[in-house]
Amino acid sequence: QQPVQSPQAVILREGEDAVINCSSSKALYSVHWYRQKHGEAPVFLMILLKGGEQKGHEKISASFNEKKQQSSLYLTASQLSYSGTYFCGTAPQGAQKLVFGQGTRLTINP
Amino acid sequence: EPEVTQTPSHQVTQMGQEVILRCVPISNHLYFYWYRQILGQKVEFLVSFYNNEISEKSEIFDDQFSVERPDGSNFTLKIRSTKLEDSAMYFCASSVTSGANYGYTFGSGTRLTVV
Repeated sequence: QQPVQSPQAVILREGEDAVINCSSSKALYSVHWYRQKHGEAPVFLMILLKGGEQKGHEKISASFNEKKQQSSLYLTASQLSYSGTYFCGTAPQGAQKLVFGQGTRLTINP
Repeated sequence: EPEVTQTPSHQVTQMGQEVILRCVPISNHLYFYWYRQILGQKVEFLVSFYNNEISEKSEIFDDQFSVERPDGSNFTLKIRSTKLEDSAMYFCASSVTSGANYGYTFGSGTRLTVV
């Protein structure tokens, strides 16, 4: 039931792009993305509710392929502030709770 | 910006003792959750709470755990007899509607250390 994220870790230089993937074995109703900085709470980035939907948040955007039960998070022209662990959270239709993936640690170096 | 408030930020307890973790969700939110995160690992679902009752719970949430909303604002997680493996960061979260439809706001967490 837990979604699977890939890669587990990414190291970038400032200004580079990254893609983080989230896959589920179950049909999904929604996918959430959160970022957690070390020692802090996860912070909501965005939610995708429809298949094929793409949303944006500053230079961070995401897509949701309902048929493939996958979502991808795109970080373009990364900034130092983007460092942290990114979690996807998934929910099938009718669910109240989110189940989170294992996280992807993103490190941005100057 | 509205916040979810958790207290205490850090609690150390002896194995077998009872602990109560407290949360004040955002006032107009209707759905409440407890998650935990063992150091460096994934965020694990414990329980969801809606309309003054548990709506869903995980296999982790056994008879040692209970939740209450004693006064209409606070939302508490009680662990009756703590074990070493209960050591983790416990996060409270709330959302306006069902978590599948709306983003969660997480509190800053309570780090529970069982010795």
